[in-house]
Amino acid sequence: NAGVTQTPKFRVLKTGQSMTLLCAQDMNHEYMYWYRQDPGMGLRLIHYSVGEGTTAKGEVPDGYNVSRLKKQNFLLGLESAAPSQTSVYFCASSYEAGDHSNQPQHFGDGTRLSIL
Amino acid sequence: DAKTTQPTSMDCAEGRAANLPCNHSTISGNEYVYWYRQIHSQGPQYIIHGLKNNETNEMASLIITEDRKSSTLILPHATLRDTAVYYCIVRVAVTSYGKLTFGQGTILTVHP
Repeated sequence: NAGVTQTPKFRVLKTGQSMTLLCAQDMNHEYMYWYRQDPGMGLRLIHYSVGEGTTAKGEVPDGYNVSRLKKQNFLLGLESAAPSQTSVYFCASSYEAGDHSNQPQHFGDGTRLSIL
Repeated sequence: DAKTTQPTSMDCAEGRAANLPCNHSTISGNEYVYWYRQIHSQGPQYIIHGLKNNETNEMASLIITEDRKSSTLILPHATLRDTAVYYCIVRVAVTSYGKLTFGQGTILTVHP
């Protein structure tokens, strides 16, 4: 049981380059999330999705785009990378519907991204 | 979502119980208490959650006071691998999405 898998695990980009981070979950979860974690700031929500084909903005969405074309995948894109986007990115998923709305989120092991 | 207060750091001897407190005095009736931990360089790991009753699973026990203003996470037999940052999170379950707000957490160090 893989759970939540993030690829790549590490990446170094130059300012202005673009890239896509992939998150895949095999738990048939409806909800998926992208967070970033910076030293001393905890996790901050970037974007989230409540189901296939739907996405919404979180706390810090600027500079990022997302897509949820398949239920099991949630992609995070950086169109023009900036040094301020150097961070550790975590994807999470949860089963959250109806009476099961108190279900926990399950996280991947993160993507460490450096923008030079 | 209610704010939580946790000690910055705690120590525990290997094999002993680790009791991690959390204060959430402004918790509302429909807010759950969640505990996560993050071991260095890994993603946050869900431990346990509860509403008002005490809960136990294979990892830990969660004790919630009767007034729900505080809780304690208990790791019954701490090991070196339990060294991590532990986060207590309070959130409303019935929302349009399950955003988690991580605070600074408690750094638990388990020593031999």
